[in-house]
Amino acid sequence: NAGVTQTPKFQVLKTGQSMTLQCAQDMNHEYMSWYRQDPGMGLRLIHYSVGAGITDQGEVPNGYNVSRSTTEDFPLRLLSAAPSQTSVYFCASRDTTGWYEQYFGPGTRLTVT
Amino acid sequence: SQELEQSPQSLIVQEGKNLTINCTSSKTLYGLYWYKQKYGEGLIFLMMLQKGGEEKSHEKITAKLDEKKQQSSLHITASQPSHAGIYLCGADGAGSYQLTFGKGTKLSVIP
Repeated sequence: NAGVTQTPKFQVLKTGQSMTLQCAQDMNHEYMSWYRQDPGMGLRLIHYSVGAGITDQGEVPNGYNVSRSTTEDFPLRLLSAAPSQTSVYFCASRDTTGWYEQYFGPGTRLTVT
Repeated sequence: SQELEQSPQSLIVQEGKNLTINCTSSKTLYGLYWYKQKYGEGLIFLMMLQKGGEEKSHEKITAKLDEKKQQSSLHITASQPSHAGIYLCGADGAGSYQLTFGKGTKLSVIP
């Protein structure tokens, strides 16, 4: 099992550019989520999904878009990048057949100039 | 919404010393998770606590859940440089799979 994978690992964008952060998991988990991590702020939930075709907003959804067409993939789209979106982004997945830990991807470090 | 407060925010200890990190919730705790993050890396799952009074240990790390105080503690015995990193607590919401996280405790261990 590869677990949760994310691409790219690093990305530099200019203000106004758009891009998609990719996330995939091979554990057949229904629940997937995106967090951003900023110094002193901990992990904040951006969007989450409880299954294919179902997504919902987390704590800090503005400026981001998600979709879930398959169980495996949960891409995060930045519509028009802003310097405030400079952060480390983590994708995670979780088994919902019971109460288990959440598995995290290795993260994407994004810089917006 | 649930908030988790971790204390201390940062900690510097000498190798071999014991230490404790606390995580206090603003709401009832249903499930509490401890993760460790090495600087610049992803999150590594340490332990999960689900019942009041539950206590789990892995190597030199012990976590406890005090349901009445809505608090969990993480205790490291005889710290080593390999214990250095950021420790994060996360909690389940009521009937929700969303995990809310504390802001983390940065641990440095001086040889």
